[in-house]
Amino acid sequence: DAKTTQPTSMDCAEGRAANLPCNHSTISGNEYVYWYRQIHSQGPQYIIHGLKNNETNEMASLIITEDRKSSTLILPHATLRDTAVYYCIVRVSKGGSEKLVFGKGTKLTVNP
Amino acid sequence: EAGVAQSPRYKIIEKRQSVAFWCNPISGHATLYWYQQILGQGPKLLIQFQNNGVVDDSQLPKDRFSAERLKGVDSTLKIQPAKLEDSAVYLCASSLGRENTEAFFGQGTRLTVV
Repeated sequence: DAKTTQPTSMDCAEGRAANLPCNHSTISGNEYVYWYRQIHSQGPQYIIHGLKNNETNEMASLIITEDRKSSTLILPHATLRDTAVYYCIVRVSKGGSEKLVFGKGTKLTVNP
Repeated sequence: EAGVAQSPRYKIIEKRQSVAFWCNPISGHATLYWYQQILGQGPKLLIQFQNNGVVDDSQLPKDRFSAERLKGVDSTLKIQPAKLEDSAVYLCASSLGRENTEAFFGQGTRLTVV
């Protein structure tokens, strides 16, 4: 299974862009990169996912390098409510069913 | 659209007692996951169902943990007997079960074993 490496913690000023990096150097060609976040005392929340191309939705943008060995989640205008643990996950396929394996994540703190 | 429902939200038991958690996934979701999240760590997958069949239970401590998903809808996770180290949040998630679809999580059950 492809593993991911993320910084343990990051800080960001409110209103600024938050750029969260993730390294997944052993990713396979058919594995997607998913991002989830977990706000204190809640279950994880899906943010975005991608395979090769950059993706954008109402929550965030995902930039994947051409070699697919790393990616960056961008929150364009961080708010205090974006303070959470952010998990970068490589979605592994096994027997037709996809596992969802979490690492330790990055604790993002958005400061006023 | 209703989300993943879990109950109870909190449970305190003494060690060696038994406990059960219940999960009602999003309607139509074929895949159901149970995770254990110890304080300060990421969620750890315990068991994954596809409809009512087990896809992966490699990390489930089978000597004390059991799970079932009757009729491929609701699921229960049981611990018997509980140990102090089982204190954690137990999260249930569901997804459509097709490739490239996201999973949705419930709020979890916080278990404290004393």
